[in-house]
Amino acid sequence: DTEVTQTPKHLVMGMTNKKSLKCEQHMGHRAMYWYKQKAKKPPELMFVYSYEKLSINESVPSRFSPECPNSSLLNLHLHALQPEDSALYLCASSQDGQGDQPQHFGDGTRLSIL
Amino acid sequence: QQQVKQSPQSLIVQKGGIPIINCAYENTAFDYFPWYQQFPGKGPALLIAIRPDVSEKKEGRFTISFNKSAKQFSLHIMDSQPGDSATYFCAASIRGDSWGKLQFGAGTQVVVTP
Repeated sequence: DTEVTQTPKHLVMGMTNKKSLKCEQHMGHRAMYWYKQKAKKPPELMFVYSYEKLSINESVPSRFSPECPNSSLLNLHLHALQPEDSALYLCASSQDGQGDQPQHFGDGTRLSIL
Repeated sequence: QQQVKQSPQSLIVQKGGIPIINCAYENTAFDYFPWYQQFPGKGPALLIAIRPDVSEKKEGRFTISFNKSAKQFSLHIMDSQPGDSATYFCAASIRGDSWGKLQFGAGTQVVVTP
């Protein structure tokens, strides 16, 4: 069982909908990440939170809005998405974000935009 | 611009064979090189990692070889099994990076036939 839990596992939404993806970890990790992964491609970093503060935003469109309510939770709020946003969205965490720490990934939310 | 180049894109081996995946990098600031394994429908999971002061590291049937002067590293899967069929991503990061930003290779889909 993965130690990073993501919900929902699947999400289908229209371009005008608002939805949220959720991620939870109870490993005491202080760095959390959102990635986007297209089929047969590597994960692409979207956001990094370190000690609940947004540290990196990789020029992600504003229709994606991250939130870190506490050290265990990470949300990704979605609004007015485009069909090209259909992908697997992965959450990950690491101990405190240092470059030689393993990142623990959840199994992702598969998002389809109609 | 991909900072870590991975090859081949895919490979098929028979059970017991030794699939070899190669990666190359240009940025000499990279000093941590993890490999992630991803099964269909799952998130990536750390398989094994190496630092540039070591030329080889083994964990079970998985071996990383590292050539610092050539800026190349590779993954060997000894005595491969059908359960090793997955996509493998090499990656590179900088240990001193406060946010653990990973540069992924493009991925290699490995199929081990019975």
